[in-house]
Amino acid sequence: NAGVTQTPKFRILKIGQSMTLQCAQDMNHNYMYWYRQDPGMGLKLIYYSVGAGITDKGEVPNGYNVSRSTTEDFPLRLELAAPSQTSVYFCASSNRAQGGTEAFFGQGTRLTVV
Amino acid sequence: GQQLNQSPQSMFIQEGEDVSMNCTSSSIFNTWLWYKQDPGEGPVLLIALYKAGELTSNGRLTAQFGITRKDSFLNISASIPSDVGIYFCAGRGSNYKLTFGKGTLLTVNP
Repeated sequence: NAGVTQTPKFRILKIGQSMTLQCAQDMNHNYMYWYRQDPGMGLKLIYYSVGAGITDKGEVPNGYNVSRSTTEDFPLRLELAAPSQTSVYFCASSNRAQGGTEAFFGQGTRLTVV
Repeated sequence: GQQLNQSPQSMFIQEGEDVSMNCTSSSIFNTWLWYKQDPGEGPVLLIALYKAGELTSNGRLTAQFGITRKDSFLNISASIPSDVGIYFCAGRGSNYKLTFGKGTLLTVNP
C-alpha cells in the first residue's frame, strides 16, 4: 500500500550542484504535482502534469524541470542548485475525475543548499 | 495568479473548545479541499467539497463550500489534543491546479 513515494527524504547540496528528486505513485493517478513548502508560506506549485507526456508550469517553476514519461513517475530536476531552493518538496498525485480521488501527498524531501 | 487568504494564521485553544477557520479567494474555484499536516509529514486530506453551498462532515469536522465559490470554512467541534497541526485550505479551478492557503497552526492545550 505504497501510495506516493518520494526519494530521498533528506539531501544537502552545494551551490551549483544538480540533483533529481524522485516521485512515484502506484495508484494509476493521472495528475501529479510538485510543491515546495517554506516556513509559514504554505505550499507553492512548481510544476504539474495531467498525464504521461504532458507537463505545465505552476507558480514557481524557475530553476526546476520535470518530465512525465510514464504514468507512475514524475521526477523533479534541479540543474544549478541555489540557496533559495532550500525547502521541503512534496510530490502529490490525484485522479479527480468523476468518482475519482483527491490529492495524496508523499512524505516530502527536505533539501538544503549550502 | 490565484490568491488564497487563510485565517487565522494561528490559534491557541483549550481542549473541548470549538474551532473555526476560513479561506477566501480572489477568483472562483470548482473544488475546495481541507488538509491537515503533522510535523515531518505530508498533508492529509480531511474534506473535499465540489458544489457551491455544499456542507460536508467528517466526524467532528465540518466544512462548507461558499455560495459565491470564492470561500470556504472548516469547523472542528470539541477539540482534542491530537487535533494539533497545520490546517490548509486548497482550491482548484478549471485548469486542475491546486492553490494552497498559508495554513492555520492549531495548538490545543489539554
